[in-house]
Amino acid sequence: DAKTTQPPSMDCAEGRAANLPCNHSTISGNEYVYWYRQIHSQGPQYIIHGLKNNETNEMASLIITEDRKSSTLILPHATLRDTAVYYCMTTGANNLFFGTGTRLTVIP
Amino acid sequence: GAVVSQHPSRVICKSGTSVKIECRSLDFQATTMFWYRQFPKQSLMLMATSNEGSKATYEQGVEKDKFLINHASLTLSTLTVTSAHPEDSSFYICSARDGGSSYNSPLHFGNGTRLTVT
Repeated sequence: DAKTTQPPSMDCAEGRAANLPCNHSTISGNEYVYWYRQIHSQGPQYIIHGLKNNETNEMASLIITEDRKSSTLILPHATLRDTAVYYCMTTGANNLFFGTGTRLTVIP
Repeated sequence: GAVVSQHPSRVICKSGTSVKIECRSLDFQATTMFWYRQFPKQSLMLMATSNEGSKATYEQGVEKDKFLINHASLTLSTLTVTSAHPEDSSFYICSARDGGSSYNSPLHFGNGTRLTVT
């Protein structure tokens, strides 16, 4: 599985878009990019995943660069409940290995 | 959507006793489940892969005789922490993927079990 790099922390004002970057420069052709988040003392929550095309669902948008070496998770209108640790992962295998993630704090 | 249920959510036990944690897939069958451990302010670490009807696969450094995993059915995996010690106190989380879905479908996680060994 390709290694991912994320900033350790970010702040975002409530109501604004939160853009969380992730570098995965060693991603291979068949590996997907997955995003999860973990709110304190809970299990990780699936957000979105993609291979090479941009993806959008009810929670977020995922923008993957053309060379697939990086991606950005976008929360269009951050709320206080979006405060969490966000994990970006890549995998072609059956399991997921977690990095250190980005701690997003949404500020009122 | 797919739901993974973990029980108990919290458990306190005395040093030297054993604790069993259950992980159930409620609305799908899972031939494979995964067990993670998370210490305070750290990320999740994969402990083992639980395979229905066969032995679990443990990650390097995880003692298989201490962390017993049983996956007797397509909807239930259990993790037993044997002879628990205070250093085993941690947040244990399981996950599973719908066995009938595509290989890239997301894993679903339980809400974790906080184990405190006194």
